[in-house]
Amino acid sequence: AQTVTQSQPEMSVQEAETVTLSCTYDTSESDYYLFWYKQPPSRQMILVIRQEAYKQQNATENRFSVNFQKAAKSFSLKISDSQLGDAAMYFCAYRSYNTDKLIFGTGTRLQVFP
Amino acid sequence: DVKVTQSSRYLVKRTGEKVFLECVQDMDHENMFWYRQDPGLGLRLIYFSYDVKMKEKGDIPEGYSVSREKKERFSLILESASTNQTSMYLCASSQTPDSPDTQYFGPGTRLTVL
Repeated sequence: AQTVTQSQPEMSVQEAETVTLSCTYDTSESDYYLFWYKQPPSRQMILVIRQEAYKQQNATENRFSVNFQKAAKSFSLKISDSQLGDAAMYFCAYRSYNTDKLIFGTGTRLQVFP
Repeated sequence: DVKVTQSSRYLVKRTGEKVFLECVQDMDHENMFWYRQDPGLGLRLIYFSYDVKMKEKGDIPEGYSVSREKKERFSLILESASTNQTSMYLCASSQTPDSPDTQYFGPGTRLTVL
């Protein structure tokens, strides 16, 4: 069975600085998807970024980028130029190629200080 | 824009009561999901449905049942609520697993069982 591990329960960053959130996963599959979701204090979970495992290039969405290391089974999220609105719970999630079921990590709470 | 709505943001029930949590999506998605979110545990899948009247157990189905009579609506039922079912419940929907689509989440229902 696949598992997702987020080893940082809480992180903090100064506004305008860069922060990296860690995620590791365990799987025997070769094709899969990885996601980072953001859950602001209002509780509506939204997708931040998605990575297909067959793509070697790291996904990027504006200030958000990932460092996908397939061999190491690592999928970290880098937030550049952090903003107060980035404060939220961040969840890493795994999805097998032929299913829509997501497996979530336990989350990292990110605080952003002015 | 995909919209997933849940019938209540906050709900307080008594032990032994039958509880209905409703979820509606407006994008004709085939798949719908119910998760519960607890601190330190992340999101755990309770049930999911990939078609009308179809359902499959997730990782923690005990004490819950679901109903999907119409494509847009997915209900979570607690037959006899217990205090250990106090939690945040999130509904999500997605398109078919053939596409690398993501799940879209509702705002959540915080259920307290006294």
